[in-house]
Amino acid sequence: DAGITQSPRHKVTETGTPVTLRCHQTENHRYMYWYRQDPGHGLRLIHYSYGVKDTDKGEVSDGYSVSRSKTEDFLLTLESATSSQTSVYFCAISELNSYEQYFGPGTRLTVT
Amino acid sequence: QQQVKQSPQSLIVQKGGISIINCAYENTAFDYFPWYQQFPGKGPALLIAIRPDVSEKKEGRFTISFNKSAKQFSLHIMDSQPGDSATYFCAASPGGGADGLTFGKGTHLIIQP
Repeated sequence: DAGITQSPRHKVTETGTPVTLRCHQTENHRYMYWYRQDPGHGLRLIHYSYGVKDTDKGEVSDGYSVSRSKTEDFLLTLESATSSQTSVYFCAISELNSYEQYFGPGTRLTVT
Repeated sequence: QQQVKQSPQSLIVQKGGISIINCAYENTAFDYFPWYQQFPGKGPALLIAIRPDVSEKKEGRFTISFNKSAKQFSLHIMDSQPGDSATYFCAASPGGGADGLTFGKGTHLIIQP
């Protein structure tokens, strides 16, 4: 998985609770991304980062926030989890001047 | 608005046959078209990708065909093997790729022995 780890790998939480997912890379790549994968929808971009403290919204950003204080870490926060945020979340990385994105192993989140 | 349409949703091919998956896009700003392979419980893995300056790219048994005027591209898997059974996603990205990928909904491929 190209030097990408995600934690936790599985999480069950209750509606209304805050949740933070972590993506950690050892490749020193500049760009990092968060996607969610749902049956019948493929993967959809939530947020991405093009450098430390530089982030932008993707297609499905409502209800999510991100932070990147170090090159190697990209955090995804659900401020108040809802059942519609039950999904598998994938982090991806990409190097400057490269189109190629490499994905982590994913985090399966269930909101009850 | 679905910007990348992928078909078929599922596909069954006999071992040794050719698997063909098609994608169509709408956004003319897209200039990078990768294919990803995903096994159950794993993250998507980059399989092969193409830029619009070429009409075909081949890597081993995998070939991308690209038709810029029709805004379509396809993945061909030659001599399909049971180990190729997986879900395949096409994707597209505008200039530079840094803004993230737009994915098709995926094709579940089964290769029967």
